[in-house]
Amino acid sequence: NAGVTQTPKFRILKIGQSMTLQCAQDMNHNYMYWYRQDPGMGLKLIYYSVGAGITDKGEVPNGYNVSRSTTEDFPLRLELAAPSQTSVYFCASSYSQGTNSPLHFGNGTRLTVT
Amino acid sequence: AQSVTQLDSHVSASEGTPVLLRCNYSSSYSPSLFWYVQHPNKGLQLLLKYTSAATLVKGINGFEAEFKKSETSFHLTKPSAHMSDAAEYFCVVSRSASKIIFGSGTRLSIRP
Repeated sequence: NAGVTQTPKFRILKIGQSMTLQCAQDMNHNYMYWYRQDPGMGLKLIYYSVGAGITDKGEVPNGYNVSRSTTEDFPLRLELAAPSQTSVYFCASSYSQGTNSPLHFGNGTRLTVT
Repeated sequence: AQSVTQLDSHVSASEGTPVLLRCNYSSSYSPSLFWYVQHPNKGLQLLLKYTSAATLVKGINGFEAEFKKSETSFHLTKPSAHMSDAAEYFCVVSRSASKIIFGSGTRLSIRP
């Protein structure tokens, strides 16, 4: 099992450019999440999905969009990149949202917007 | 409302000595609590989880944590630190998919 796979690992964008961060999981998990990690700030939830076709906003959704057309894939779209979106982005998945269902994380995408 | 506070942003220990990483939580409900570890340039990995079956929870790599409801704490300990334990550690409280709250992290450094 590959677990949660994120691509690309690194990316540099110019202000105003767009890009899609890819995330795929092969564990048949219903729940998928996108987080951003900034130094000293822990992880902040951007968007999450409880199953194919269902997405919802997290704590910091502005400037981002998501879709969930299949159980396996949960891409994150940045439409107009801004310097404030410079961060490390993590995709995660879980079987459910219960106590016995921890998060499984990808290795992250480091994004720089200049 | 839920919140989690990691009391130390950085902890340093000598190899072979005990390690203590402190976490206090606030939750209106019976909490689900986790500790995750993040090695450089990697995603977070589950260390251990509190499931209310036992207050002392054992995790991977010799780590354990004790849930103390009266003190609203879930501190992480290891009796003897190893160089490979150097990483960032996150305490997490969870209520639902949209209410998973991460602490700000504690960076653990190990001296030879």
